[in-house]
Amino acid sequence: GAVVSQHPSRVICKSGTSVKIECRSLDFQATTMFWYRQFPKQSLMLMATSNEGSKATYEQGVEKDKFLINHASLTLSTLTVTSAHPEDSSFYICSASRLAWDTDTQYFGPGTRLTVL
Amino acid sequence: GQQLNQSPQSMFIQEGEDVSMNCTSSSIFNTWLWYKQDPGEGPVLLIALYKAGELTSNGRLTAQFGITRKDSFLNISASIPSDVGIYFCAGRDSWGKLQFGAGTQVVVTP
Repeated sequence: GAVVSQHPSRVICKSGTSVKIECRSLDFQATTMFWYRQFPKQSLMLMATSNEGSKATYEQGVEKDKFLINHASLTLSTLTVTSAHPEDSSFYICSASRLAWDTDTQYFGPGTRLTVL
Repeated sequence: GQQLNQSPQSMFIQEGEDVSMNCTSSSIFNTWLWYKQDPGEGPVLLIALYKAGELTSNGRLTAQFGITRKDSFLNISASIPSDVGIYFCAGRDSWGKLQFGAGTQVVVTP
């Protein structure tokens, strides 16, 4: 199967600090990775899409200076929440696709629970 | 933007009963996907549908891609306690982006 991991699984930080979340494809090379956020009892909302070696494409309403995405290799993408505030507390989930955007299934990571105090 | 309506929002059923849920969209999707999410976990793909009219089964799960490409349903037959969770439909557009429904919470009582 296609396994995607995230680290950390949970993180608690103080308001104003930055937090980095890693997303790794463990047994395949991911051309494209996606970042979602999910508030309690709500659905997943796409934040941004990133291709290896390219700048991420952000969805409308998502601040790219606040949510920094780096997709430096075919197996690793990172999301950095800069100057985090309590309203950034959420469940962040990444997914990865093997091939081009429109031809393959996304495999989801287990998620990272961020709590900003 | 595209709107995905998923219903019902929640279902409370007895073990052994069948479960049905559906999603409708205001726009066409190229692919319909059904996921299950357990608390504190990421979604796990259950069934993927790639062609209008396609009917696909995966064990006790059956899903169909509507002819109009704007809807899909998921059936779970003979529910068991481990079917508990939140089920999401998702439509994939031509850019490969997924749009998720609001989810259907399934609770199975013995």
